[in-house]
Amino acid sequence: DTGVSQNPRHKITKRGQNVTFRCDPISEHNRLYWYRQTLGQGPEFLTYFQNEAQLEKSRLLSDRFSAERPKGSFSTLEIQRTEQGDSAMYLCASSLEGVSNQPQHFGDGTRLSIL
Amino acid sequence: AQSVAQPEDQVNVAEGNPLTVKCTYSVSGNPYLFWYVQYPNRGLQFLLKYITGDNLVKGSYGFEAEFNKSQTSFHLKKPSALVSDSALYFCAVRDWDSNYQLIWGAGTKLIIKP
Repeated sequence: DTGVSQNPRHKITKRGQNVTFRCDPISEHNRLYWYRQTLGQGPEFLTYFQNEAQLEKSRLLSDRFSAERPKGSFSTLEIQRTEQGDSAMYLCASSLEGVSNQPQHFGDGTRLSIL
Repeated sequence: AQSVAQPEDQVNVAEGNPLTVKCTYSVSGNPYLFWYVQYPNRGLQFLLKYITGDNLVKGSYGFEAEFNKSQTSFHLKKPSALVSDSALYFCAVRDWDSNYQLIWGAGTKLIIKP
């Protein structure tokens, strides 16, 4: 068990470009979450998957954001036409639901900087 | 509405002294509570949780937390602080209205001075 892995760790891009991040959860975990975190704040929920199904998406999430988990394993988060306000740390977490309130385990995040 | 409050933005403690990081909550169902720690440029690490049972929960790195139902609190504690405990600490509660997601506090920065 190598924990939750996120790539890349850092991404710098120009405004208007598209970016894609990848998350590899802990292998037996069926739930996968995406969060956004800005400096000094708590995680802000974006979306989550139960296996390959995307079950909930934040109402605050722009339609420029899309996430997939095609085979119920790794997930990708894509941001299209990036804006300055998208600069943040993007965190992925996974958990094993259905087993007595197991905690979410987080990756180290992808820090996105928009120039 | 369900919520979590961490009333202190920052807590300063001298090394070797006991520390407390405060958390209060409001939930519509049973309070399933969690503490996480975040070091700079890292993700959040799980410390401990309260689901049911003993009000004093022991977790990683010598931390413990005390669940108090009457005061709706779940304060994080450690008997003797280390400089390496300096980090950002987040309290979270299970959200019964939203497919069991977590509601997060805003975080408390803990600074341990040598």
